[in-house]
Amino acid sequence: DQQVKQNSPSLSVQEGRISILNCDYTNSMFDYFLWYKKYPAEGPTFLISISSIKDKNEDGRFTVFLNKSAKHLSLHIVPSQPGDSAVYFCAASALGIGSNYKLTFGKGTLLTVNP
Amino acid sequence: GAVVSQHPSRVICKSGTSVKIECRSLDFQATTMFWYRQFPKQSLMLMATSNEGSKATYEQGVEKDKFLINHASLTLSTLTVTSAHPEDSSFYICSARLRASNQPQHFGDGTRLSIL
Repeated sequence: DQQVKQNSPSLSVQEGRISILNCDYTNSMFDYFLWYKKYPAEGPTFLISISSIKDKNEDGRFTVFLNKSAKHLSLHIVPSQPGDSAVYFCAASALGIGSNYKLTFGKGTLLTVNP
Repeated sequence: GAVVSQHPSRVICKSGTSVKIECRSLDFQATTMFWYRQFPKQSLMLMATSNEGSKATYEQGVEKDKFLINHASLTLSTLTVTSAHPEDSSFYICSARLRASNQPQHFGDGTRLSIL
């Protein structure tokens, strides 16, 4: 049973345009969400996170939106650059009392930004 | 920024060998480290949570005697794959997090383990 789902295995975008990566979750206990970027043969690199008390968090070209009622979050990258081409993982955690801070990951979306 | 070093990056060895993988947090103290395994085109699957000075907490289906975890200090956790077999071949990644609750996990670059 996948608690974090990334339904698009891949996405192709033109340089300069917006990339929108989507993620859905099923566990209502999740209250902290993260996006990681991963290149082949490397570990994931933290990009941006959002707490459930917010619906938007922005960091430069990256913005994460959270819709708690829909249990959906998305990562927007604008403008997209060829160097953004990588696999993007959505992850979720429950930070409540007794939490061990473990992350549940989606399967990832391969983003390709074409020059 | 937070840096996590994982060593070795690649191991190729014969079936029956035990392999140790190290995970170090280089510029911060990590009370908790995590070990993941990733199969091709799949998600990162949490294997175990490693807390400094205490026994690791293993996820369901992960064999404790096969995957030995030691977290002897605030900057080092090790994963030992004992008597490895070809089905243990995978990409193993560790992560570490700072003490504060809202800090993200930072990952090492992973270890590609190939058992012949």
